[in-house]
Amino acid sequence: QVQLKESGPGLVQPSQTLSLTCTVSGFSLTSNSVHWVRQPPGKGLEWVGAIWSGGSTDYNSALKSRLSISRDTSKSQVFLKMNSLQTEDTAIYFCTRDHYYDGTYYYGVMDAWGQGASVTVSS
Amino acid sequence: DIQMTQSPASLSASLGETVSIECLASEDIYSNLAWYQQKPGKSPQLLIYYASSLQDGVPSRFSGSESGTQYSLEINSLQPEDEGDYFCQQSYKFPYTFGAGTKLELK
Repeated sequence: QVQLKESGPGLVQPSQTLSLTCTVSGFSLTSNSVHWVRQPPGKGLEWVGAIWSGGSTDYNSALKSRLSISRDTSKSQVFLKMNSLQTEDTAIYFCTRDHYYDGTYYYGVMDAWGQGASVTVSS
Repeated sequence: DIQMTQSPASLSASLGETVSIECLASEDIYSNLAWYQQKPGKSPQLLIYYASSLQDGVPSRFSGSESGTQYSLEINSLQPEDEGDYFCQQSYKFPYTFGAGTKLELK
């Protein structure tokens, strides 16, 4: 059974760094990609970035200068680090994975989502 | 960035009715369009991908279509469990972008 679970601090001070972990099960990080998507309270969804099965990354250009996504395949974990946090970074952060069907990966189509990690940026 | 203009922002319909939600892409996304449903306090769930392919386990009353850069999600025979927010998303070009969402309520 495919599962993703986010973990991390619920509260981060302005200008500090956010560190989140996504622990996956039911699939391999060397076969499938993981994305981060965030949702500010009461608002829509924003794609943050991805780490692909080969280990390369892509980031939302609006966040790229503050963002780093990495992984530890032996622990089935993906990490998000975002620095210089501001109040507008307050959101639920989801990790998701690419859809795979009938021998084809549909990159950017997210067929499994974690429960989300609520992050509040406040002093 | 590719803009996804989603309409309507909210929708109220009765049980058994058919509703449609639209997404207009600011440029050609070559069918790389997915639809998600999100219920309050829950994570989004994939409904449709590649414009019209139904995700496994999703009821057949959900369907997707396209016409040029306009994409539509149709829900036939509305059920109580269909209440929630719906988002479209393009996966053709980085950054992947979502529509602003449609809140569907049952009368």
